[in-house]
Amino acid sequence: ILNVEQSPQSLHVQEGDSTNFTCSFPSSNFYALHWYRWETAKSPEALFVMTLNGDEKKKGRISATLNTKEGYSYLYIKGSQPEDSATYLCAFRHSGYSTLTFGKGTMLLVSP
Amino acid sequence: ETGVTQSPTHLIKTRGQQVTLRCSSQSGHNTVSWYQQALGQGPQFIFQYYREEENGRGNFPPRFSGLQFPNYSSELNVNALELDDSALYLCASSGDRDDEQYFGPGTRLTVT
Repeated sequence: ILNVEQSPQSLHVQEGDSTNFTCSFPSSNFYALHWYRWETAKSPEALFVMTLNGDEKKKGRISATLNTKEGYSYLYIKGSQPEDSATYLCAFRHSGYSTLTFGKGTMLLVSP
Repeated sequence: ETGVTQSPTHLIKTRGQQVTLRCSSQSGHNTVSWYQQALGQGPQFIFQYYREEENGRGNFPPRFSGLQFPNYSSELNVNALELDDSALYLCASSGDRDDEQYFGPGTRLTVT
């Protein structure tokens, strides 16, 4: 059974704060690590697909890093805005499989 | 928007009944995966269909079954519903088995 852990479980920050979350995953047989942003009553939206150790990807104020050797990825949000409020999910893809194993997510609330 | 739709949005069923959930993939996507998200958990992989054949299955009993049709639509069928089947069911389509998955907004199933 693959174990994907996310921390913290939830986070409440003020507008303008920068924040980061962690996703840990098995370090063996790594294929890809996905980050999704999920607003209530909407579809999960793909943020990043990360495949290479040391990868760093950026999309606006959101960025992510990847360490496959130690099995973790960080997601950073710079200058959080209320519209960043959502659940952020990471999903691990095991080599040889096309399915995703998800963490439980980090629920972010950004107050004005 | 991901271009993936699901119906119905939500429904209520009684224990022992059967239910069919539907998903419409993006045009041209030949792979669809189904996930169950129980309260407080991350999405869990149920099964995947590739070109109308089952291509992998998670730890779910045989009363969970699926179909994929040539018109990019698919179904998840659950027989003999149990209370623990209450969850959000997500489908995700991809252009091929190894491609990025695009999620629908989910169907909320409540079993009473």
